[in-house]
Amino acid sequence: AQSVAQPEDQVNVAEGNPLTVKCTYSVSGNPYLFWYVQYPNRGLQFLLKYITGDNLVKGSYGFEAEFNKSQTSFHLKKPSALVSDSALYFCAVRDMNRDDKIIFGKGTRLHILP
Amino acid sequence: GAGVSQTPSNKVTEKGKYVELRCDPISGHTALYWYRQSLGQGPEFLIYFQGTGAADDSGLPNDRFFAVRPEGSVSTLKIQRTERGDSAVYLCASSLFAQGISGNTIYFGEGSWLTVV
Repeated sequence: AQSVAQPEDQVNVAEGNPLTVKCTYSVSGNPYLFWYVQYPNRGLQFLLKYITGDNLVKGSYGFEAEFNKSQTSFHLKKPSALVSDSALYFCAVRDMNRDDKIIFGKGTRLHILP
Repeated sequence: GAGVSQTPSNKVTEKGKYVELRCDPISGHTALYWYRQSLGQGPEFLIYFQGTGAADDSGLPNDRFFAVRPEGSVSTLKIQRTERGDSAVYLCASSLFAQGISGNTIYFGEGSWLTVV
């Protein structure tokens, strides 16, 4: 069965600094990988996804993520953090060769310090 | 509609009561998903529909939980004999295709916040 690990419960970054939110995954086949963001009392908003092709995926709000097959990772990155990036971030995986449910990690709370 | 719509946005119910949560997916989306999110946790898969049928209901925690999608559009999640442990945000999502051939994105609604007292 597929699974996702987000090893950090919380990440603190100073505004203007680069940020990284870590994610590793496990699937039996090839993965589809996703990042979602959740603001307080809101639903999940799609940020970006990896399907195939370039390992570096660019998404909304200046975020990007790098797929690394050998390390089974899909870390979320942004070159320069904004205070408004503070939110809860979820990594998710779907096994390309199996059923269609997406499995989510437990989330990482990102705090951008002004 | 423009996005996934869920009603009610908030529901407080007494232990033992019956609850229905409604989801109206994005127009034209054939796949519909229900997830449950408890405080401090990631979304937990419950069930997904392709059209009118439940393609995977392996995440439903027990037989008090049931979901329907009779016409392949709106879905209702039904919870019988609610317990305090059912308190959570129930998230609905939809996507254009069920099969992950192109890794179709799942789009979420704002959720229904259920509190069982």
